[in-house]
Amino acid sequence: EAQVTQNPRYLITVTGKKLTVTCSQNMNHEYMSWYRQDPGLGLRQIYYSMNVEVTDKGDVPEGYKVSRKEKRNFPLILESPSPNQTSLYFCASSRWTGEYNEQFFGPGTRLTVL
Amino acid sequence: KQEVTQIPAALSVPEGENLVLNCSFTDSAIYNLQWFRQDPGKGLTSLLLIQSSQREQTSGRLNASLDKSSGRSTLYIAASQPGDSATYLCAVMNYGGATNKLIFGTGTLLAVQP
Repeated sequence: EAQVTQNPRYLITVTGKKLTVTCSQNMNHEYMSWYRQDPGLGLRQIYYSMNVEVTDKGDVPEGYKVSRKEKRNFPLILESPSPNQTSLYFCASSRWTGEYNEQFFGPGTRLTVL
Repeated sequence: KQEVTQIPAALSVPEGENLVLNCSFTDSAIYNLQWFRQDPGKGLTSLLLIQSSQREQTSGRLNASLDKSSGRSTLYIAASQPGDSATYLCAVMNYGGATNKLIFGTGTLLAVQP
C-alpha cells in the first residue's frame, strides 16, 4: 500500500530534551515536506526537500532541523524543544512540483512539550 | 501574499442532503488546488486535485470545481452520509518557485446527522 508513515504518533516530552520524529514514504517521491498544524493558523510548512541531500526552509523553520540522507526518509529533529512547539505535525510527499503535483500526507504526530 | 479562506467554518446537515463547501483564494496564479479530508487521529486524505488548466474534477459522490479568475473553488458532496463527517481542507500551490508548499485554508467541519 502506498503510504507516508510517521513515528511516533503521540509524544509528550519536556523542554530541552532532543527528539526526532521519523517520516518515511514508499512511493519513490522526490519531494518531501514537514508541516505543523495549530488552531486558527492552519497548516504551515516547516521544511521541504527536493531530493536526497537537498533541503530548505519553509515558513516556520525556527527550532527545527531536517536531513535527507535517503530518498524515502525525512526525519524532523527538535534539538531543544520548547512549549511553543507543541503542535500536530504532518509529513508529506509528492512526485513532482507544479500543476500535476498531488501531495500525500502521513497520519500526523501530536507533540506536547511541557 | 496568498490567503485561503473556507466558509462556513462548520456545517451540520441531515443525512441524504447535497451540500457545497466553499474555498476562496486571493492570488489566482496557482498551479493547482487540492481538497483534503481530515479525520481525528488519521491525518489528511487527498480527495481531489484540480490542475490550474482544469475546471472540475469528480470522484464518486464528490465534485470539485475551480474558477481561477474569481479565486474560488467549491466541493460538492452528493447524498451525504454520516461517514462523510470530517474536516474538509482546501489548499493551493502557488505558481513559481520549487518549495512544493501548499497554502491551506482553516477548514470546514462537517457533521452529517443520521
